[in-house]
Amino acid sequence: AQSVTQLGSHVSVSEGALVLLRCNYSSSVPPYLFWYVQYPNQGLQLLLKYTTGATLVKGINGFEAEFKKSETSFHLTKPSAHMSDAAEYFCAVSGWRDDKIIFGKGTRLHILP
Amino acid sequence: DAGVIQSPRHEVTEMGQEVTLRCKPISGHDYLFWYRQTMMRGLELLIYFNNNVPIDDSGMPEDRFSAKMPNASFSTLKIQPSEPRDSAVYFCASTDHREGEQYFGPGTRLTVT
Repeated sequence: AQSVTQLGSHVSVSEGALVLLRCNYSSSVPPYLFWYVQYPNQGLQLLLKYTTGATLVKGINGFEAEFKKSETSFHLTKPSAHMSDAAEYFCAVSGWRDDKIIFGKGTRLHILP
Repeated sequence: DAGVIQSPRHEVTEMGQEVTLRCKPISGHDYLFWYRQTMMRGLELLIYFNNNVPIDDSGMPEDRFSAKMPNASFSTLKIQPSEPRDSAVYFCASTDHREGEQYFGPGTRLTVT
């Protein structure tokens, strides 16, 4: 079985500052890991995903995440926040050959001017 | 491709009325998922289909909810009779089993008064 924990339901950062959104997962099999973003009144959009191979994954809009098996983490980072990054971010996990994706509860990112 | 298409985008109805939400998945995708999102409960998986066959409906809250997928390009989620606590945003998502990530539609915002 898989589960996801996102630390912090709300995170605020200043424009230009580092963005760090934390995600820890639990999986009984090698995981597939995802970060999705949801802008107001829109559906979820894939930011990036890890399946196998390189543990540092680059996504859209300058975001990246690193798969750390020893820490069971998949934290999302961006070096410099932009106002347009304000949204809700969801970490998600599935097992290899699983049909379903298990989503975390989401972290709302606020960007301060 | 136009992505996952959902209709209507907004639905306002009175308690007791029947509500039908519609979804057209991305062409060629073999999985379709229905989710519900609320502030209190977050994103919940209601039911999913593989090759038009329902695989897991354990997330359907009660018998008032039903879903069908008569063909590969169309699915419906029906609530009958609707209740105020059904008010939420309902998302449809689809995926190709080889990709892993799910593609979400824009959602239907349902308000039951």
